[in-house]
Amino acid sequence: QSVLTQPPSASGTPGQRVTISCSGSSSNIGSNTVNWYQQLPGTAPKLLIYNNNERPSGVPDRFSGSRSGTSASLAISGLQSDDEADYYCAAWDDSLNGYVFGTGTKVTVL
Amino acid sequence: QVQLQQSGPGLVKPSQTLSLTCAISGDSVSSNSAVWNWIRQSPSRGLEWLGRTFYRSKWHNDYAVSVKSRITINPDTSKNQFSLQLNSVTPEDTAVYYCARVSIGEGWFDPWGQGALVTVSS
Repeated sequence: QSVLTQPPSASGTPGQRVTISCSGSSSNIGSNTVNWYQQLPGTAPKLLIYNNNERPSGVPDRFSGSRSGTSASLAISGLQSDDEADYYCAAWDDSLNGYVFGTGTKVTVL
Repeated sequence: QVQLQQSGPGLVKPSQTLSLTCAISGDSVSSNSAVWNWIRQSPSRGLEWLGRTFYRSKWHNDYAVSVKSRITINPDTSKNQFSLQLNSVTPEDTAVYYCARVSIGEGWFDPWGQGALVTVSS
């Protein structure tokens, strides 16, 4: 059902940088902004990045986002154990007239 | 600070109707600057947007194609909440259901409700 494609997993040691990709199409990422959500175990998703690259108040600047064409990416620098979570991209889809989500990426801190 | 509190049964029999409610505090379901959404999450389908309701001079609804024939989202202005009804459920509808707000001019979900696991089983 997920329209946006993400790698199922990513990992790194504390302090490292991890990047997560999100691949879509012209009807979603190609024409609308991308948002990222962090989901800690047993909790609801929480807004992490909005408008491709903006951080809500309280989100550390270790998290950054970017968009190019029909793809987007989330980078986590200075990886910490608290960053272990599932990460999802999302965008509006003009063809489906609804929101679409990524398949999700589980980040593990080794 | 806007908060969303979900409620509803956690077990529904196949072919019956799933019903959930999302109570809003810190905002109004009738606000001209908010859109109220339902989203679900399951291992097989991932995160899936189900639909939304919003007020812009009159009430509007949009539904995902996958559930369009079975879903109704209704506002309840007297209780400042909105509801989800999903008819003719099957085990495939077993999921954690979330409500979430989108503010006008923005395209992101914030905040989210706490989530409610609904299991479809006889």
